[in-house]
Amino acid sequence: QKEVEQNSGPLSVPEGAIASLNCTYSDRGSQSFFWYRQYSGKSPELIMSIYSNGDKEDGRFTAQLNKASQYVSLLIRDSQPSDSATYLCAFNSGYSTLTFGKGTMLLVSP
Amino acid sequence: EADIYQTPRYLVIGTGKKITLECSQTMGHDKMYWYQQDPGMELHLIHYSYGVNSTEKGDLSSESTVSRIRTEHFPLTLESARPSHTSQYLCASSRSGGLYEQYFGPGTRLTVT
Repeated sequence: QKEVEQNSGPLSVPEGAIASLNCTYSDRGSQSFFWYRQYSGKSPELIMSIYSNGDKEDGRFTAQLNKASQYVSLLIRDSQPSDSATYLCAFNSGYSTLTFGKGTMLLVSP
Repeated sequence: EADIYQTPRYLVIGTGKKITLECSQTMGHDKMYWYQQDPGMELHLIHYSYGVNSTEKGDLSSESTVSRIRTEHFPLTLESARPSHTSQYLCASSRSGGLYEQYFGPGTRLTVT
């Protein structure tokens, strides 16, 4: 069974710090990986996609993928209180469905 | 602006009623999905569709049914609502030929009394 493991948190960081969120996955056939942000009571919002080993940067967000070690991470630089949310890691393995993790709650304190 | 819509956003209904949750998207995506999520809990895939006249059951057993008669429309129906169906229902879509990123609608919060 395909699985995604995430620390449920909460991960607490002060405003301006770097938040580091991690995710491991079980399916070596996984091809693409995603990070979603979900505010309480809202639907998930896609913030990063990564398909190749290495880093991908988009503004304050950097996604890192290491297929050999089967982990993907998300770094949020200059964290803001508005970044406080649950971050969901997801992957697919060649089919049209995604496997989602349970999410890590991030709390950014002013 | 292309988007994905769900109606109603909130629904409170009595036990035994038949309900249909609507989902429409204007992005021209072939693939659509329904997820169920309880507060603070993980997403569970309950139904998905690869295109018109295609529907599949997801990982979580559900008493709901879906149909896909038009590309842009993917309604979910509960024939007889029960309190155990109280949850948030999220619709998503993705394009064919891509790398499967899914885009979510705003969700429907259902309460069955």
